[in-house]
Amino acid sequence: SQQGEEDPQALSIQEGENATMNCSYKTSINNLQWYRQNSGRGLVHLILIRSNEREKHSGRLRVTLDTSKKSSSLLITASRAADTASYFCATDWMDSSYKLIFGSGTRLLVRP
Amino acid sequence: DAGVTQSPTHLIKTRGQQVTLRCSPKSGHDTVSWYQQALGQGPQFIFQYYEEEERQRGNFPDRFSGHQFPNYSSELNVNALLLGDSALYLCASRRTGLSGNTIYFGEGSWLTVV
Repeated sequence: SQQGEEDPQALSIQEGENATMNCSYKTSINNLQWYRQNSGRGLVHLILIRSNEREKHSGRLRVTLDTSKKSSSLLITASRAADTASYFCATDWMDSSYKLIFGSGTRLLVRP
Repeated sequence: DAGVTQSPTHLIKTRGQQVTLRCSPKSGHDTVSWYQQALGQGPQFIFQYYEEEERQRGNFPDRFSGHQFPNYSSELNVNALLLGDSALYLCASRRTGLSGNTIYFGEGSWLTVV
């Protein structure tokens, strides 16, 4: 079964707007990573946040982590048409196996 | 610095056949994992290799097997292919150690079973 679940499943916004995606998970984790996937392509690593961190920034990306609620959010500011893709969160368990468990993803459409 | 590379990009096989997919990890990485991604779903963990041994395995049948070579590259083999094996197969790599938390993925191999 999937560990993480993204919300919403699909999101359509206008270019320049901000996009927020949420991820929930079930068990204690070491790290949470966000990935982007363009249609039919591989996964591109966006950002990693450790379980003892609460917020991280990378360019137009902002990730938060709330371990008490077992949830994370990804904010993309000033979105561009090129941000159109599916976004996945992936967690690895406290057993340090680095086996990633993915949710089903959020499909983001940025309209020009 | 080359990232994770996979081959072939696309392939079509017939039910019952066998397939081998190949992966070269990112430079400096020694742990390789394989994932299966069906259309419209998130990737599912198949197994992980480190020091040429299978270390972790997901909920996949024995028809799925793998190998890791001394140069850290890896192969995924699937025997007796079923229609349901049609998917994108992703290879991922990382470097063991405290600084090796980030896991990088390749572009994947699209397998179609007809």
